Amino acid sequence: EVQLVESGGGLVQPGGSLRLSCAASGFTVSSNYMSWVRQAPGKGLEWVSVIYSGGSTYYADSVKGRFTISRDNSKNTLYLQMNSLRAEDTAVYYCARSRHGYGPFDYWGQGTLVTVSS
Amino acid sequence: QSVLTQPPSVSGAPGQRVTISCTGSSSNIGAGYDVHWYQQLPGTAPKLLIYGNSNRPSGVPDRFSGSKSGTSASLAITGLQAEDEADYYCQSYDSSLTVFGGGTKLTVL
Repeated sequence: EVQLVESGGGLVQPGGSLRLSCAASGFTVSSNYMSWVRQAPGKGLEWVSVIYSGGSTYYADSVKGRFTISRDNSKNTLYLQMNSLRAEDTAVYYCARSRHGYGPFDYWGQGTLVTVSS
Repeated sequence: QSVLTQPPSVSGAPGQRVTISCTGSSSNIGAGYDVHWYQQLPGTAPKLLIYGNSNRPSGVPDRFSGSKSGTSASLAITGLQAEDEADYYCQSYDSSLTVFGGGTKLTVL
């Protein structure tokens, strides 16, 4: 059974850092396209970042230069390192799987809440 | 401002048919990228509803259907049920990066 479990969210001050994790089971992270998608309170979905099976990474303009997506193949886990956090980064962060480029997100995690506030 | 435009809300009575539009441009839907649709029930993660413009994953009722034409796509729900009350999002690609619609809240009257 495919499962994605996020962790690492919490309260952080503006300018601070946080690392999110997404532990996968039932499939191999490195063989798929893995994304982070966020949802601010009461708002819609916003794509954040993707790592391709080949290792290429891409980011939304809103997080470029501040966030870094990576994976640990030995742990079958996806990460999102978030630096220089801003109030507008406050959101539930979901990891999601796509089997191929331009494909749908067929599995999502339950989400982890990141709150950026002093 | 989302790259893909959806109506903020739609509503319908039980048993009725509703449609949700998703309007893009020549750089996303019109460029040939597939459109996918998600249903998000309150307090839960999004769930894939339609993929590849018009395909339903296993387990999704055939009351849900999708279509695409030109720079737009649509999600249709027939035989509306109370459990369909949720937020719906379209998703596609623009310059090879993922884009979402702003979401549509469906209210079952």
